[in-house]
Amino acid sequence: AQSVTQLDSQVPVFEEAPVELRCNYSSSVSVYLFWYVQYPNQGLQLLLKYLSGSTLVESINGFEAEFNKSQTSFHLRKPSVHISDTAEYFCAALSYGQNFVFGPGTRLSVLP
Amino acid sequence: DTEVTQTPKHLVMGMTNKKSLKCEQHMGHRAMYWYKQKAKKPPELMFVYSYEKLSINESVPSRFSPECPNSSLLNLHLHALQPEDSALYLCASSQDQSGAYSGNTIYFGEGSWLTVV
Repeated sequence: AQSVTQLDSQVPVFEEAPVELRCNYSSSVSVYLFWYVQYPNQGLQLLLKYLSGSTLVESINGFEAEFNKSQTSFHLRKPSVHISDTAEYFCAALSYGQNFVFGPGTRLSVLP
Repeated sequence: DTEVTQTPKHLVMGMTNKKSLKCEQHMGHRAMYWYKQKAKKPPELMFVYSYEKLSINESVPSRFSPECPNSSLLNLHLHALQPEDSALYLCASSQDQSGAYSGNTIYFGEGSWLTVV
């Protein structure tokens, strides 16, 4: 069975500082990986995904994530955060024959 | 169009009421999902419909009754709920249920905030 771990439940960071949100997964088969963002009082929005090919994937709002098979990780990074990035971030994994598995989430708080 | 539409956005109901949550997608997806999300927690899977047939019921109490009238619509009928059922209910859809196809992303609606009083 697959599982997803997000080690940091909360990450406070000052505006314009870089940030990394960590995600590790376990799966015995090939896996697809996703990052979803949930702004306050809203549903989940897909931020970016890794399916195959280049291990570095980017979103339109400056986030990027790198798939590292040897470390079973899919960490999310942004070089300079904005107040508007304050949200809950969920890492998720999907493999053949399995349902989506979500990590517990990381609350990113961007401070002025 | 990657939109999943949920109505109503907010619902307050008494413990003896009967109400329904509705969900619609027009992406041609053949898998649709209901998730329940409590504050500061990840979404928890409740039901999965695959090709309009109930595929997964994650031991959800019978006071929650899903229905999939056609490939675009998904309902969640609510009856005799408890205050602890108050949560955000998220509908989602994907091309199909498993990861068999590349790009099988789950798309979520904005959710229905349910308060049981």
